[in-house]
Amino acid sequence: GNSVTQMEGPVTLSEEAFLTINCTYTATGYPSLFWYVQYPGEGLQLLLKATKADDKGSNKGFEATYRKETTSFHLEKGSVQVSDSAVYFCALGRNSGGSNYKLTFGKGTLLTVNP
Amino acid sequence: DTAVSQTPKYLVTQMGNDKSIKCEQNLGHDTMYWYKQDSKKFLKIMFSYNNKELIINETVPNRFSPKSPDKAHLNLHINSLELGDSAVYFCASSPPQGPRFNEQFFGPGTRLTVL
Repeated sequence: GNSVTQMEGPVTLSEEAFLTINCTYTATGYPSLFWYVQYPGEGLQLLLKATKADDKGSNKGFEATYRKETTSFHLEKGSVQVSDSAVYFCALGRNSGGSNYKLTFGKGTLLTVNP
Repeated sequence: DTAVSQTPKYLVTQMGNDKSIKCEQNLGHDTMYWYKQDSKKFLKIMFSYNNKELIINETVPNRFSPKSPDKAHLNLHINSLELGDSAVYFCASSPPQGPRFNEQFFGPGTRLTVL
């Protein structure tokens, strides 16, 4: 079956530090890959996505590259801000036919950025 | 102008009671979902509906019954509430065909506490 493994948190960084959150996946076929972010007290928001191998998704200074050879989709940001403090979820999406599109989420990584 | 809204935001109730959570989206999407997020932030899909038709049912106890009166609404009714039902429940929706069909838009969540 499909599964997503992301690094355990929590991750605590100082402002302007470099961020990496590792994510690997197991899936048949060619899934799409996503990073969602959940700010405190809110629902999830799509941060970025990649739909095929070697695609790079980017948004708000965050980047992730779909690596089929290592089945990975690591999230990176060169300089984090306090406002980036949130829970980050890696997810893979597969279409099982018709309108049956399903997201499988990792367990989430809590990021805290201190000033 | 809220995109995906849920009511109530908080729900505290006794074991054995029956309760409902409502979800509405004004995005014109035709697929809607319910997710359960446990205390460790793990997010798992429960149901998805497409054009009022049940598409995904992830072995959820039959005490949980989703109802979709129209494309814009997906409500979740829970009978005989148990302690283990305490969680945050998120509604989400996704657009029909097009480049964003695999993106999901989440509501703010309903925190259910069963005493």
